[in-house]
Amino acid sequence: EPEVTQTPSHQVTQMGQEVILRCVPISNHLYFYWYRQILGQKVEFLVSFYNNEISEKSEIFDDQFSVERPDGSNFTLKIRSTKLEDSAMYFCASKKGGTGPGYTFGSGTRLTVV
Amino acid sequence: AQSVTQLDSQVPVFEEAPVELRCNYSSSVSVYLFWYVQYPNQGLQLLLKYLSGSTLVESINGFEAEFNKSQTSFHLRKPSVHISDTAEYFCAVSLMNRDDKIIFGKGTRLHILP
Repeated sequence: EPEVTQTPSHQVTQMGQEVILRCVPISNHLYFYWYRQILGQKVEFLVSFYNNEISEKSEIFDDQFSVERPDGSNFTLKIRSTKLEDSAMYFCASKKGGTGPGYTFGSGTRLTVV
Repeated sequence: AQSVTQLDSQVPVFEEAPVELRCNYSSSVSVYLFWYVQYPNQGLQLLLKYLSGSTLVESINGFEAEFNKSQTSFHLRKPSVHISDTAEYFCAVSLMNRDDKIIFGKGTRLHILP
């Protein structure tokens, strides 16, 4: 069964550093998403991406965040200057599109900001 | 706006006993409904979903959920739990649009007692 692949599985970074979280969505999927889950809390929507542009973003997704699909296969989330409160599990998801949902989530990247 | 309420943050239950995890949602328009499961140190996996048709949906591992429109509920049940069911369970909704995000509840931790 096709999977959404996220790398790395765990990243530790120093406060103020830039991080890039990488995702390889399922190849024929058209819609892409990032979610995050702070430890012990619920999974929160960050951003959705379609046709090479952001289609929706949450209030969490401020100017420190950006997304990109640089080469037609990868989908990346960049945090420009990490803060301690950015420590969380980040999930990528993709969806084929058309009627009806069909989201597939990756296994997540655990980001620890120290 | 849509929202999902999972009133129980933790549910302890003895092995082989039945369990119900409660989920209520709020939406002014029709939604799709989901239950996701997160096993310890793993990502999100779709457990079951309601799109349309029969209000009772089942998963391959014995869970079922019933959509109740009048009560805006989508409770998850299993007649006999196993130790391997220990996990966090998230109820979620999405609008019936092609690219809409998923909105998650806060999750319920199912703790199986031996």
